[in-house]
Amino acid sequence: TQLLEQSPQFLSIQEGENLTVYCNSSSVFSSLQWYRQEPGEGPVLLVTVVTGGEVKKLKRLTFQFGDARKDSSLHITAAQPGDTGLYLCAGFSGGGADGLTFGKGTHLIIQP
Amino acid sequence: DTGVSQDPRHKITKRGQNVTFRCDPISEHNRLYWYRQTLGQGPEFLTYFQNEAQLEKSRLLSDRFSAERPKGSFSTLEIQRTEQGDSAMYLCASSRGQGDSGPGYTFGSGTRLTVV
Repeated sequence: TQLLEQSPQFLSIQEGENLTVYCNSSSVFSSLQWYRQEPGEGPVLLVTVVTGGEVKKLKRLTFQFGDARKDSSLHITAAQPGDTGLYLCAGFSGGGADGLTFGKGTHLIIQP
Repeated sequence: DTGVSQDPRHKITKRGQNVTFRCDPISEHNRLYWYRQTLGQGPEFLTYFQNEAQLEKSRLLSDRFSAERPKGSFSTLEIQRTEQGDSAMYLCASSRGQGDSGPGYTFGSGTRLTVV
């Protein structure tokens, strides 16, 4: 079983601050995705990273895939209350057969 | 297409009863997945279908669980003789192909099961 460890588990910060959350594994992933989930809803895809060292930006969110494709980070600049939610990283191990493996997520609260 | 639909949204059942959930995926998606999510945790993979074929089942899927996708369109997940430990959010997702590119997996809003 390939595990994805996310840290921190909980994060509560003030509006306007910057933050980084991490997703780490001892396994190599062919690609990795970040999802955001709100209470009572399913996860919604934010980004897919495929190439080691890849950086993708989505407005105030910056996603990076580690060079060895074992880890990833999500950086949010000038956080807003609308960023509040559960951020999940999920990896594909390759081979075509497996479903996505999810981490436990980072619960993010942005206080006004 | 309005996305992935799951029914019901909420289900409360007594221990020992059987329950069935339905998932309608995005019509052009050939893959359909079932996940279970407990409070404070990430989704855990249960099983997936490519068209009507069930290609993989997690060890989490005990003999009390069965899933079908009879015509390669909608899917059902049945839990027999429910236990309190089955209480969770059951999420369905679909994808075109493996889902590791483009729009990835599209999830439904889930069915929240409470076993009392």
